[in-house]
Amino acid sequence: GAVVSQHPSWVICKSGTSVKIECRSLDFQATTMFWYRQFPKQSLMLMATSNEGSKATYEQGVEKDKFLINHASLTLSTLTVTSAHPEDSSFYICSAEGRSRNTEAFFGQGTRLTVV
Amino acid sequence: QKEVEQNSGPLSVPEGAIASLNCTYSDRVSQSFFWYRQYSGKSPELIMSIYSNGDKEDGRFTAQLNKASQYVSLLIRDSQPSDSATYLCAVISSGSARQLTFGSGTQLTVLP
Repeated sequence: GAVVSQHPSWVICKSGTSVKIECRSLDFQATTMFWYRQFPKQSLMLMATSNEGSKATYEQGVEKDKFLINHASLTLSTLTVTSAHPEDSSFYICSAEGRSRNTEAFFGQGTRLTVV
Repeated sequence: QKEVEQNSGPLSVPEGAIASLNCTYSDRVSQSFFWYRQYSGKSPELIMSIYSNGDKEDGRFTAQLNKASQYVSLLIRDSQPSDSATYLCAVISSGSARQLTFGSGTQLTVLP
């Protein structure tokens, strides 16, 4: 299947700093990328949807100024957690899909963010 | 009201048995349905996709879709301890710009 690479796989940062997470589609053009957050023992919650070349669409309750998403190319989307706080500690997962209507979304490996 | 419902479990089955996982969804015009497996600390891995009524088999896995009843299920035959994971049902609903809506997941444990 298609490969989506997410980096880093884990990161520890100090409160107040910013962290950037990258999501790359390695063997297909991702017209749409999705960013999810998952807290322990909970399901994936969609944070935002990004289409290449346009502004991301954020889900209700997700602060767009705190979670900056850039989808500058068909193979790369980035999520920057700005001024991170301990409550932002979570598992962040991206997924990407191509142009076909019925294509499945493929997930990156996830990034475990710990804010201390 | 949740759009995708799953029993959270935990569900325990002995090795070699059939594990049955169920999921219901609320959007009647949903068209695409997926089952993902997620091991602890890992991202979801696609197991099955199904788009039309009936059964779809892939190895030990069978997905069943009943749009009239708005439910989709996953059967795992000859369950193995390595199947122990959380299984997530996901649906792409109409008018949702192809966003996956996930159920809360069912934790499955296969006992050796």
